[in-house]
Amino acid sequence: DGGITQSPKYLFRKEGQNVTLSCEQNLNHDAMYWYRQDPGQGLRLIYYSQIVNDFQKGDIAEGYSVSREKKESFPLTVTSAQKNPTAFYLCASSKGVVNYGYTFGSGTRLTVV
Amino acid sequence: RKEVEQDPGPFNVPEGATVAFNCTYSNSASQSFFWYRQDCRKEPKLLMSVYSSGNEDGRFTAQLNRASQYISLLIRDSKLSDSATYLCVVNSPRDSNYQLIWGAGTKLIIKP
Repeated sequence: DGGITQSPKYLFRKEGQNVTLSCEQNLNHDAMYWYRQDPGQGLRLIYYSQIVNDFQKGDIAEGYSVSREKKESFPLTVTSAQKNPTAFYLCASSKGVVNYGYTFGSGTRLTVV
Repeated sequence: RKEVEQDPGPFNVPEGATVAFNCTYSNSASQSFFWYRQDCRKEPKLLMSVYSSGNEDGRFTAQLNRASQYISLLIRDSKLSDSATYLCVVNSPRDSNYQLIWGAGTKLIIKP
């Protein structure tokens, strides 16, 4: 079955550490996205990519980095520059940018300890 | 003012009742509209797209009012399993592209 796989499900980070969240899809979707969700807020876009080897900053890109070397994969690195990284991170993909709904992975819950 | 606004609720509704949510959006150039459902600590899942003519999927009906810039979701004969947070999502122009803008969600609790 096609879908999006995020790993790990839970991640604990010490202050000052970089961590990388994995996102893999086998839906043959061109576009992929990373969102952050905090309690009581809508999803906020971190980065997105519409095509391999290209990606764009979203509304809250500071302290994060991404790569898109393969169509199937869009990993997110949370760097030590991200001051408040504790959140629920969601990866999504879609066929295109306009008029298509998104398919989400099951998310990674990141906690700073 | 937020680009997409929803009443956070919670809406406490008895099983079998009809419940309706509204969502307003600020950008009149928005192109497409969606309702997603999110269960507690899970990922959002697409419930339905919202078309200009209105559309129905079983017990769920979605409407779009472009003049007043709001979309609505109606759930008839509500079930316990309908308890979730319902997210309103609008595809709006941003810089030279389009982005999904997410409401913070309306929490629905169906009581037996």
